[in-house]
Amino acid sequence: GQNIDQPTEMTATEGAIVQINCTYQTSGFNGLFWYQQHAGEAPTFLSYNVLDGLEEKGRFSSFLSRSKGYSYLLLKELQMKDSASYLCAVRGATNKLIFGTGTLLAVQP
Amino acid sequence: DAEITQSPRHKITETGRQVTLACHQTWNHNNMFWYRQDLGHGLRLIHYSYGVQDTNKGEVSDGYSVSRSNTEDLPLTLESAASSQTSVYFCASSESSSGAGTQYFGPGTRLLVL
Repeated sequence: GQNIDQPTEMTATEGAIVQINCTYQTSGFNGLFWYQQHAGEAPTFLSYNVLDGLEEKGRFSSFLSRSKGYSYLLLKELQMKDSASYLCAVRGATNKLIFGTGTLLAVQP
Repeated sequence: DAEITQSPRHKITETGRQVTLACHQTWNHNNMFWYRQDLGHGLRLIHYSYGVQDTNKGEVSDGYSVSRSNTEDLPLTLESAASSQTSVYFCASSESSSGAGTQYFGPGTRLLVL
């Protein structure tokens, strides 16, 4: 079967660093995506990993280990506006995206 | 600016009625997708298209249909709306062939079936 696991909720403090983990078991692998979704809005693209290692984009970084079926999204210098759901999605062998249920991040002052 | 739009943004309908949700993108993307999002579930794929006249069933396609007569539009039709189809519906598009590329999402349609 195909499965993507990520924590349901996380809480962090403004200015801190938070790591959101994602583990996956899928039929084939053609890349992993992270999306941000604010309440009542559309998912917006954050990052894409297809090779092992770290991709850095400003305050956000994403890591992938294909052998472990594992990724994380690292958010630095947290701001209140980072309060949102973070969706992990894997593109499988047929190029369709399979989404996790999302991690709701609450940033507290 | 190029964009992807959905209409209506909110819709209330009755059980048994036919409903069509519109999706329009001006990026000239080959690939278009329809998802539904429900509490406790990730985004689930309903139907998708890799080009004009091409349509394919996704994970949760029962009770839904799509047609692709041009590059810009992929309308989603609920043939006979059911309460289980109350959900938020997102359309997405991507550029590369056969479903590859990053998917960009429209603003969503909130559908309530009474």
